[in-house]
Amino acid sequence: GQQVMQIPQYQHVQEGEDFTTYCNSSTTLSNIQWYKQRPGGHPVFLIQLVKSGEVKKQKRLTFQFGEAKKNSSLHITATQTTDVGTYFCAGKRNSGYALNFGKGTSLLVTP
Amino acid sequence: DVKVTQSSRYLVKRTGEKVFLECVQDMDHENMFWYRQDPGLGLRLIYFSYDVKMKEKGDIPEGYSVSREKKERFSLILESASTNQTSMYLCASTLPGQGAKDSPLHFGNGTRLTVT
Repeated sequence: GQQVMQIPQYQHVQEGEDFTTYCNSSTTLSNIQWYKQRPGGHPVFLIQLVKSGEVKKQKRLTFQFGEAKKNSSLHITATQTTDVGTYFCAGKRNSGYALNFGKGTSLLVTP
Repeated sequence: DVKVTQSSRYLVKRTGEKVFLECVQDMDHENMFWYRQDPGLGLRLIYFSYDVKMKEKGDIPEGYSVSREKKERFSLILESASTNQTSMYLCASTLPGQGAKDSPLHFGNGTRLTVT
């Protein structure tokens, strides 16, 4: 079954507010990936984190990988309406070939 | 740019029918995957394949089978469709990983299957 938990399930913010989604795994991950799915679209890769404690930034998006490599977060500063969509984290099991996806956080941004 | 093509965007089938969902990728990727996506449940892995004629069960393989006769094509088969298999089906492909680092998944546009 799914071993990657993601919260919150939904988040509704006003444009300009910040947003964070959190991902937790019951086991140590070799890496974690983040994907964004726009309404009606398919998931699109955003970033991958591999190292313990790693922090990466993409413009207004900040991604963190925990020291124990069991949790991760995505933070969006000053949300815009273009940020609307569902954000998924996906952890790589230490053995095997497949990613294990969280259930996603659906972000709604109202102007 | 990587292209993953799923043969149908929408499909309506009757209970008990045998259903084939086709997926083709054009980037010579070794690994291919089938996920289903349901509201509130996220993406759940059905089957994956890391080479021609190879297949591995994912988290929810019951009621499904797969075929990988050629590297570029990965088919999902519903042997006898049931209403609880109504869902969005997503195919994805990727290159093999290198140590702890993986290549990203490239998804198709999805097939929305309705079983009546």
